[in-house]
Amino acid sequence: DGGITQSPKYLFRKEGQNVTLSCEQNLNHDAMYWYRQDPGQGLRLIYYSQIVNDFQKGDIAEGYSVSREKKESFPLTVTSAQKNPTAFYLCASSMRGASTDTQYFGPGTRLTVL
Amino acid sequence: GQQVMQIPQYQHVQEGEDFTTYCNSSTTLSNIQWYKQRPGGHPVFLIQLVKSGEVKKQKRLTFQFGEAKKNSSLHITATQTTDVGTYFCAGPRDNNDMRFGAGTRLTVKP
Repeated sequence: DGGITQSPKYLFRKEGQNVTLSCEQNLNHDAMYWYRQDPGQGLRLIYYSQIVNDFQKGDIAEGYSVSREKKESFPLTVTSAQKNPTAFYLCASSMRGASTDTQYFGPGTRLTVL
Repeated sequence: GQQVMQIPQYQHVQEGEDFTTYCNSSTTLSNIQWYKQRPGGHPVFLIQLVKSGEVKKQKRLTFQFGEAKKNSSLHITATQTTDVGTYFCAGPRDNNDMRFGAGTRLTVKP
């Protein structure tokens, strides 16, 4: 069963703690993306990676970090520097990272900072 | 930078009524994609438009790409409760990642 998995589905974190969100894909896609979704603001790009061991900042990268050590994995760390981390986080992948590629989304992780 | 504006932000219709959402870009787009996100779900790809003036249909959904490739629309004929969700358009930026519009949230009253 191919697709993108994200874990956990719900995550609670105390203020000041770092937390890592998992994203795994078995679609053999080169490109992977992290988006943040807040009510009424659509999807905002945090980071993206078009190849292993390389990634670029998106529009709202401050307070976040990523790694791409394996093609199938693109974990996102929400650091304590992120001022307002409570949000719905979506991971996506596409075949080559071209603008004409379809993006396939995971089910998302809802992060709540207490 | 390139902006993708989507209107309206919300639309509430009676079941059976039509619905349209519009997407406007400040720059010419090489292509545009549409996605649907059901409540509590994740975005799912609907369609891609590439050619100027292109019109594509999927059952009750009609997608259009403007002649200048700066705007696009999604029209749903005779809405059903299964159409509920948020519809996003997305256009490419210079570095090939996609910029998503803020979405139009559709609710349908049975």
